[in-house]
Amino acid sequence: EPEVTQTPSHQVTQMGQEVILRCVPISNHLYFYWYRQILGQKVEFLVSFYNNEISEKSEIFDDQFSVERPDGSNFTLKIRSTKLEDSAMYFCASSEYIAGSYNEQFFGPGTRLTVL
Amino acid sequence: GNSVTQMEGPVTLSEEAFLTINCTYTATGYPSLFWYVQYPGEGLQLLLKATKADDKGSNKGFEATYRKETTSFHLEKGSVQVSDSAVYFCALTLGSGGSYIPTFGRGTSLIVHP
Repeated sequence: EPEVTQTPSHQVTQMGQEVILRCVPISNHLYFYWYRQILGQKVEFLVSFYNNEISEKSEIFDDQFSVERPDGSNFTLKIRSTKLEDSAMYFCASSEYIAGSYNEQFFGPGTRLTVL
Repeated sequence: GNSVTQMEGPVTLSEEAFLTINCTYTATGYPSLFWYVQYPGEGLQLLLKATKADDKGSNKGFEATYRKETTSFHLEKGSVQVSDSAVYFCALTLGSGGSYIPTFGRGTSLIVHP
């Protein structure tokens, strides 16, 4: 069964460093998403991406974040200068696109980011 | 704004016990409601959903009824198994002009002992 994959499973970085989290969405999906979950808190939406551009983003997704689909299969989240409060589990998801309805999102297992 | 509130975990049960995980919501419109499950080491998976009042979503022995009068969508299962140990997330989306991006709760961890 097709699934969303994410690498690495755990990333440890120093404050101020750049990190890139990688995701491979399901191959025929057109919509891609990033979410994060700070330990003990809610899963929060960061950004959605469709047709090679950002479709929607939350107020969390500020200038330090960027997303890219560098080739036909990967979808990446870059954090330019990490802060301690960026420590969280980051989930990638993908969905088909059917206009005017909820499209089930399929989630990856997550990348745990620890900023020291 | 829109929000989802779930009961605090962990919920610890013995095998074959009855499960209820409470979920209530606030929404500016008429939401669709979902339960997602996350098994250890895996991503969130859609467990069940309901799109209008009094609808009952069901899957794998779990069920939840959309109660508009109490703005609730409690998850129930009559007899849990060890394999049901996971984190359960309640979520809502708003359609028809609103965003289809889910608003999630914090998740409730379920631990089932043999």
